[in-house]
Amino acid sequence: DAGVTQSPTHLIKTRGQQVTLRCSPKSGHDTVSWYQQALGQGPQFIFQYYEEEERQRGNFPDRFSGHQFPNYSSELNVNALLLGDSALYLCASSLLGTVGWEEQYFGPGTRLTVT
Amino acid sequence: AQSVTQLDSQVPVFEEAPVELRCNYSSSVSVYLFWYVQYPNQGLQLLLKYLSGSTLVKGINGFEAEFNKSQTSFHLRKPSVHISDTAEYFCAVTGNTGNQFYFGTGTSLTVIP
Repeated sequence: DAGVTQSPTHLIKTRGQQVTLRCSPKSGHDTVSWYQQALGQGPQFIFQYYEEEERQRGNFPDRFSGHQFPNYSSELNVNALLLGDSALYLCASSLLGTVGWEEQYFGPGTRLTVT
Repeated sequence: AQSVTQLDSQVPVFEEAPVELRCNYSSSVSVYLFWYVQYPNQGLQLLLKYLSGSTLVKGINGFEAEFNKSQTSFHLRKPSVHISDTAEYFCAVTGNTGNQFYFGTGTSLTVIP
């Protein structure tokens, strides 16, 4: 049973560029959430996709956008990169349970470095 | 809105000693609580979760946590730690819609031989 996979593992970009990160959810999961984890910090919620729609969004600017495909995989796009966007980007997948999205399974993350 | 406070940023402990990692939360709605572990250069792995029922929750690797509603706490405990428990530990909370997880800033557990 494949878990959550993310690509690429590492990425180096220059300020002002655009980047796309990809995520495949755990088999059977239909919901994908994205988190940004800055060095030494806990993950911060960016947004969540369910049925190809953005369900909820955290406190991130419009430079951060996403997409979910019919096969439930997802992309995170960041435009006009800033140095402060350097972080580990985590994808988490989940499945609607009896009390909501009860548990999130995390991928290994994509380390983005902006120079 | 929900939030999580992890009271200790770093906890050193000797091998085979007990450990407690503290977590307090605030929420205006019913909460579901989680502890995750993160090893260097890896994603987060679920240790245990509280959704309802018994307030004492047992997880993987010998960890357990107790939900205390009156003190709004969800402290993580292990009676005897191993070197392999050295990692970053995150407490997280979500409300009854369960769609956004709020994480604490993490506690770095270092097990000393």
